[in-house]
Amino acid sequence: NAGVTQTPKFRILKIGQSMTLQCTQDMNHNYMYWYRQDPGMGLKLIYYSVGAGITDKGEVPNGYNVSRSTTEDFPLRLELAAPSQTSVYFCASSWAGVTGELFFGEGSRLTVL
Amino acid sequence: DAKTTQPPSMDCAEGRAANLPCNHSTISGNEYVYWYRQIHSQGPQYIIHGLKNNETNEMASLIITEDRKSSTLILPHATLRDTAVYYCIVRPGSSNTGKLIFGQGTTLQVKP
Repeated sequence: NAGVTQTPKFRILKIGQSMTLQCTQDMNHNYMYWYRQDPGMGLKLIYYSVGAGITDKGEVPNGYNVSRSTTEDFPLRLELAAPSQTSVYFCASSWAGVTGELFFGEGSRLTVL
Repeated sequence: DAKTTQPPSMDCAEGRAANLPCNHSTISGNEYVYWYRQIHSQGPQYIIHGLKNNETNEMASLIITEDRKSSTLILPHATLRDTAVYYCIVRPGSSNTGKLIFGQGTTLQVKP
């Protein structure tokens, strides 16, 4: 199993551009998440999904959109990129249940200039 | 979800036990304590979780006080590779979203 795969690993955007961060998992997990991590800070939850067709906002959803058309994929869309969105983005997935161990991708480092 | 309080940083000598404390005084009866760690800039990694009994696995031990208001993660023989940020999180075990809310964590520096 590849686990959670994120692309791209690095990206530089200009202010006002848009892009999509891709996330796919091959563990058949119901739950998927997007987090962002600013330098020296903890992770902040952007959006999450409990299954195909179901998404909900996390702690910091403004400026982002998500969709979940399949169990495997959970893309994160940035519209009108701003310097404040410069961050490392992590996608994660998990089973439902008590253990609910989250499996994280390697991260996507985004810089907005 | 209950909030947690952790010291910002700790040092530990290589080969010694690392004891990382976490306060969660407002924890509810159905909330579990989870520990994750993040090595350098990698994605966080699950370590262990527990409800009220002490737990041990191949990575660490988790000691939860009887009143469940605090816990300690123990790395029995710390190595340089254990240098990381350690996050203590509480969450309902029966969560219907599975989401975890991360705090600032404790930066553990293991020194030779």
